[in-house]
Amino acid sequence: DAGVIQSPRHEVTEMGQEVTLRCKPISGHDYLFWYRQTMMRGLELLIYFNNNVPIDDSGMPEDRFSAKMPNASFSTLKIQPSEPRDSAVYFCASSLGGTQPQHFGDGTRLSIL
Amino acid sequence: AQSVTQPDIHITVSEGASLELRCNYSYGATPYLFWYVQSPGQGLQLLLKYFSGDTLVQGIKGFEAEFKRSQSSFNLRKPSVHWSDAAEYFCAVGDTGNQFYFGTGTSLTVIP
Repeated sequence: DAGVIQSPRHEVTEMGQEVTLRCKPISGHDYLFWYRQTMMRGLELLIYFNNNVPIDDSGMPEDRFSAKMPNASFSTLKIQPSEPRDSAVYFCASSLGGTQPQHFGDGTRLSIL
Repeated sequence: AQSVTQPDIHITVSEGASLELRCNYSYGATPYLFWYVQSPGQGLQLLLKYFSGDTLVQGIKGFEAEFKRSQSSFNLRKPSVHWSDAAEYFCAVGDTGNQFYFGTGTSLTVIP
């Protein structure tokens, strides 16, 4: 079975540019999560969706970050404009709910120069 | 609020030695507990989970964990560590309110 698929795996861009990260959750999973991982702050939950609806976006660092889930099989995380401090690994995960394990993608390693 | 604590930031063990990684949680009801492993450059992979029943749960790669309600702990163990076990390990707790909390992780180094 296909797991959570994220693209791109790596992204290098200059500050000020728009960055779009993509995620395809596991089919049938109704929860989708976006995380950011850095050495300094560890694994941070940015936002999560239930049935394509954003439930908690309190972890989104600022207005430059936005996330959408137009349908059950696709989500995007957008940063506009990007800044060097946004450099991190961004993970997408999906699950069947809080009592069920989350399944992670391989992440997108983002470098903002 | 729920929380997860992994007291050890980094642990070093010799190959073939036993391993125990600590995890403590704070939660009012019976928690749903998980251990994940993250190898360099990869996402988190589920090792094992505890929902109810037998407090000793078996996972993949020879790992096991024991739920101790009295100590609010869910420690991960392995009898004999292999060099390929070097990775970051995360404990997590979930609840029926669809909240999910990760610990800060423990980095494991295995020396020959």
